[in-house]
Order: sequence, then structure tokens, then C-alpha cells
Amino acid sequence: SYVLTQAPSVSVAPGKTATITCGGNNIGRKSVHWYQQKPGQAPVLVICYDSDRPSGIPERFFGSNSGNTATLTISGVEAGDEADYYCQVLDSSGDHWVFGGGTKLTVL
Amino acid sequence: QVQLVESGGGVVQPGRSLRLSCAASGFTFSSSGMHWVRQAPGKGLEWVAVIYYDGSDKYYADSVKGRFTISRDNSRNTLYLHMNSLRAEDTAVYYCARDHTSLSAVATGWGQGTLVTVSS
Repeated sequence: SYVLTQAPSVSVAPGKTATITCGGNNIGRKSVHWYQQKPGQAPVLVICYDSDRPSGIPERFFGSNSGNTATLTISGVEAGDEADYYCQVLDSSGDHWVFGGGTKLTVL
Repeated sequence: QVQLVESGGGVVQPGRSLRLSCAASGFTFSSSGMHWVRQAPGKGLEWVAVIYYDGSDKYYADSVKGRFTISRDNSRNTLYLHMNSLRAEDTAVYYCARDHTSLSAVATGWGQGTLVTVSS
């Protein structure tokens, strides 16, 4: 089955740029989606189809995908961005979702 | 706006059954694929199952195949998850999620989740 690899944690100072990666074999050929989950809350979609921002998501959130790595970039990080971030794709069957293990973003 | 409300969680003994429900509103339920996703305490997200917009196709994670059944009632705007032969490792918060498409792609809405605890 398809595996997505995320670093367990990333730390960044307020106002700086956070980079969260999601690794997978030829992931550049898949559509990657990113979810933000704050403690005790349900996930929220922040980036879909590699780089599209759903309505209401700030322009500070940017997604890209190429080769074996998809990337979520958050510029001008704010304290409210502190959360777990998960990447998600469809596996080769085209029906099953696969999630990365999640990255905890800490704002210093 | 999209609203999804899960119910039916609780404490259940290993080997027993439980049925979760997800009441949907604010969108055309009968046009959306629907998913169940779970999250064990302190762990990441795990996809459980999907059902297409018309119930014609259903797919399951290997960890629940043969034990869980996803279903829907489009006349009641409700999604279900029938869970049999429950195990301790099924303990998790269970979320229902609305797909962006009529099939399976990406979740554009999530419920708040319902906690299932499997314990003797």
C-alpha cells in the first residue's frame, strides 16, 4: 500500500515561514490535500489538489507538489497556526484514502 | 453551511457491535461521497471507509474489512457505520466526512466526531 512520510514535528518563530513536507513514491503524480487539526477539534481542509486554497483559508498557506515530495508552506506564521497538519492522497486503487502520520507545528 | 453530526459512540465490550450515525445538512447529501475516518487517542488520522453518492460502491481499510459496514439513507440524509466484532484497537474518535466529489477524493467538511471505547 502507498505510504506517506511526514516529519513528526516542526518549530518556527512567529512571523517566519514554516515548511511541512510529505514524502511518497512519485507523489508528484497524485493530487495532495492538506488538513489542519487543532487540539480537540475536527480536521479542516487548508489545501486541496496540491495548491488550491478553499474559501476562507488565508493566502499565507501555500501548497506545492513535485517528484517525491509535496510541501505545505505557511508564511508569516501566527500563534493560531499551531496545530497538527496531515497530508492525504488517494492510493493506487483510486478509492482508498491514505494519510501521512502528521506533523505537529509548534510556534515558538 | 455544511453540518455533520455524529452519534452512537460509547463504551462497548470487545466482540460486541455498535452502530454510528452521521446526520448531514447544508448540502446535497445524495450527491456527495461520504467517508468515515478515525483517530485513536494521541494518534493520527486513519481512513476507515467510503461510500459513493448513490451507495453503489463501498470500500474499506484492510483493518476493518469484513467487520465494518458503511451505508447511507439518502432519504434521511444520514450516513451509518455498522461495527461488528469490535477490538480494543478500534478505540478512537470516529469522524464522518463529506467528499468534494460524488466518489472519493478529498474531505471538504467534517463532523465533530464521536468517541468509541472498546473495553471490558
